[in-house]
Amino acid sequence: SQKIEQNSEALNIQEGKTATLTCNYTNYSPAYLQWYRQDPGRGPVFLLLIRENEKEKRKERLKVTFDTTLKQSLFHITASQPADSATYLCALDGGMDTDKLIFGTGTRLQVFP
Amino acid sequence: SAVISQKPSRDICQRGTSLTIQCQVDSQVTMMFWYRQQPGQSLTLIATANQGSEATYESGFVIDKFPISRPNLTFSTLTVSNMSPEDSSIYLCSGGGRAGGYTFGSGTRLTVV
Repeated sequence: SQKIEQNSEALNIQEGKTATLTCNYTNYSPAYLQWYRQDPGRGPVFLLLIRENEKEKRKERLKVTFDTTLKQSLFHITASQPADSATYLCALDGGMDTDKLIFGTGTRLQVFP
Repeated sequence: SAVISQKPSRDICQRGTSLTIQCQVDSQVTMMFWYRQQPGQSLTLIATANQGSEATYESGFVIDKFPISRPNLTFSTLTVSNMSPEDSSIYLCSGGGRAGGYTFGSGTRLTVV
């Protein structure tokens, strides 16, 4: 069956360190993968998109890698800040013939001062 | 990116009644989607709202229970019909295009009593 799995346990790190979140998928062949941030009581906010032919993408303190052989994406936040505390969701497109997004289980990140 | 206004933000409804949730986008978007999110859980796709034609529902969701309208490229509604306590959840709409990520409404927190 199709699955998109992220670290189910919360990730707790100290301010200034690099946070690394994992997204693994099975039985998908996505054309692209997206990462979103969600704060309590709010809708998800788009952060980054990486295509299947891209290995890495960066945006300010964020870096995403995409390994279609391992079927895995890593999401890094460098020099993390308490304001980065939120739930982070990865999402895959449902296939080449559709624009729908299927979301992973999400990982809650807590950055301590 | 587009901005989506979703309303109501929350409601408490009697079982057996129906609630219609509205999403207004400040610009034309190709795709719109409706999701459900249980507290502390990830997003589950209900359906793709197609402009000018019937919505495309995911497995486990049916039109009689969740009728959707999309009269134009900036507006969509989701109705939760004949509600039961199991329908208590957060409902989210999203819109956008494949290349640029999707924008989400702020969500509707529904409680059925």
